[in-house]
Amino acid sequence: KQEVTQIPAALSVPEGENLVLNCSFTDSAIYNLQWFRQDPGKGLTSLLLIQSSQREQTSGRLNASLDKSSGRSTLYIAASQPGDSATYLCAVGTNAGGTSYGKLTFGQGTILTVHP
Amino acid sequence: KAGVTQTPRYLIKTRGQQVTLSCSPISGHRSVSWYQQTPGQGLQFLFEYFSETQRNKGNFPGRFSGRQFSNSRSEMNVSTLELGDSALYLCASSMTGHEQYFGPGTRLTVT
Repeated sequence: KQEVTQIPAALSVPEGENLVLNCSFTDSAIYNLQWFRQDPGKGLTSLLLIQSSQREQTSGRLNASLDKSSGRSTLYIAASQPGDSATYLCAVGTNAGGTSYGKLTFGQGTILTVHP
Repeated sequence: KAGVTQTPRYLIKTRGQQVTLSCSPISGHRSVSWYQQTPGQGLQFLFEYFSETQRNKGNFPGRFSGRQFSNSRSEMNVSTLELGDSALYLCASSMTGHEQYFGPGTRLTVT
């Protein structure tokens, strides 16, 4: 059974800092890994998707890496801003015969607060 | 391109009643997945539909069911509601194996 853990559970940083969020998973047979952000009471916004054959993806100030063999992914946020304050969720699509059948297993999330 | 839409956005029901939630995926997406989010359990997978067939199911009781129509729109139904069913219900659509896009969710409160 796939289990996903995110560390730290909460993080508070001053504006402008670079930061790293960590995600680990127990079953390396993944199909893909996706990072999301969630604002309070809202749905999930997709940030980055990494396919199992990829090592990293970048979008603006965000960079996500994937090390399947060690069961780890990191989300790097450069030059953080107050608008980055949200809960960040890591989700793993487990490989089931060549597809994930839509099932994502989520971590509990990291609550990020960026203060001015 | 319109995003994933869910209706209704908020719902209050009484224990023992049943409820139906609706999800319209992004145009062209044939896969629709449903998730339950609670403060205690986080986000948990309910089921996934593709081309009107349930392909995968999470560990939820039979009171939770769903279906998908030929236009890929999906509904989920919860019968005999319990207090513990209070949650944010999220649906996501995707092209198989690709990035999942989530809707804004339906906030269900059971009293």
